[in-house]
Amino acid sequence: GDSVTQMEGPVTLSEEAFLTINCTYTATGYPSLFWYVQYPGEGLQLLLKATKADDKGSNKGFEATYRKETTSFHLEKGSVQVSDSAVYFCALQNPFGGYNKLIFGAGTRLAVHP
Amino acid sequence: DAGVTQSPTHLIKTRGQHVTLRCSPISGHKSVSWYQQVLGQGPQFIFQYYEKEERGRGNFPDRFSARQFPNYSSELNVNALLLGDSALYLCASSLDGGGTDTQYFGPGTRLTVL
Repeated sequence: GDSVTQMEGPVTLSEEAFLTINCTYTATGYPSLFWYVQYPGEGLQLLLKATKADDKGSNKGFEATYRKETTSFHLEKGSVQVSDSAVYFCALQNPFGGYNKLIFGAGTRLAVHP
Repeated sequence: DAGVTQSPTHLIKTRGQHVTLRCSPISGHKSVSWYQQVLGQGPQFIFQYYEKEERGRGNFPDRFSARQFPNYSSELNVNALLLGDSALYLCASSLDGGGTDTQYFGPGTRLTVL
């Protein structure tokens, strides 16, 4: 079945460092791909999405490109801030079946220190 | 505009009891999905509803049930609570619940079963 694999955390960075969080997926067909972020004690916030191969999603300085050839959707940010400290979830949504079930990775905790 | 709202925020129950969680979708959204997030893991899909009909169901026992009302709000019911049901329960809404539709999450209800 469909699945998402994320790099294990925690990822610890200094402020203004470059961030990469790896995400790969297994799916039949052409899923949509998402990154959600969860701040402590809160629900999930949509960070960015891409719906087809080679699409680049971007928001708040974060970017991810849908790479079908490598089945990847890695999250990047050029300069992280302390306020980016959170748990990041990669997810896929496969249109097969006609409903929008999200399949999540296990999450990657990011800690940014001054 | 208001986002997805959930109530209550926190809930403490004992084993064997039942619980009802509530969700109101974003205005104009007709589909609601429920997810369970156990501590340290990614969310797991429980149900999706669209126009009061169940459209999809995850791998959860029959103790879990849900319904959607004419105003598109939804309830998740869990009977005969087990310790393992302790989790953050997340509600997500989307426009029509189709396979490419984006889901937006509420803040969640944290359920503790003692």
